[in-house]
Amino acid sequence: AQSVTQLGSHVSVSEGALVLLRCNYSSSVPPYLFWYVQYPNQGLQLLLKYTSAATLVKGINGFEAEFKKSETSFHLTKPSAHMSDAAEYFCAVTRAAGNKLTFGGGTRVLVKP
Amino acid sequence: DADVTQTPRNRITKTGKRIMLECSQTKGHDRMYWYRQDPGLGLRLIYYSFDVKDINKGEISDGYSVSRQAQAKFSLSLESAIPNQTALYFCATGRRDSGELFFGEGSRLTVL
Repeated sequence: AQSVTQLGSHVSVSEGALVLLRCNYSSSVPPYLFWYVQYPNQGLQLLLKYTSAATLVKGINGFEAEFKKSETSFHLTKPSAHMSDAAEYFCAVTRAAGNKLTFGGGTRVLVKP
Repeated sequence: DADVTQTPRNRITKTGKRIMLECSQTKGHDRMYWYRQDPGLGLRLIYYSFDVKDINKGEISDGYSVSRQAQAKFSLSLESAIPNQTALYFCATGRRDSGELFFGEGSRLTVL
């Protein structure tokens, strides 16, 4: 069975500072990995995805994530936080295209002025 | 118009009542999913359907049932609602050749 662990349910960063959200996964086969963002009172939207191509994946709004097989990690980063980045972020894994996603518990990001 | 539409967006009901949450999509995807979101637990899969004749239980299907009325419609029912089913429910769609899911805006259910 697949599982996803997000370290830290809440992260607080200052505007302009680095955003780092941690995600570790377990999967018996090479996975497909995703980061989704949920803004208040909205559904989830895709930030970026890894599907076995380049290990460094760039997404929307300046976010990127690096797939590290040896560490079973897929951490999300953004060099400079903006107030609009305040949201909840979810890491998710699936073992194959078209299969169901397993989500982590989420990390809520607070951006301080 | 939204590609994945959920109704109702908000519902307050009482213990023991039957509730149906509906989802319709215009994306033409064959796969549809119902997830439940609780604080700190992320999203957990309730049921999923890979086509109209295929229904599968997810990790937390007890107390729920679903109906896939057409490729574009997937309903979630709570036959006898209980307070611990208070949550935010999401419908999602996807294609067989892609891992990406597309989500509706959610249905917030409160069971008193």
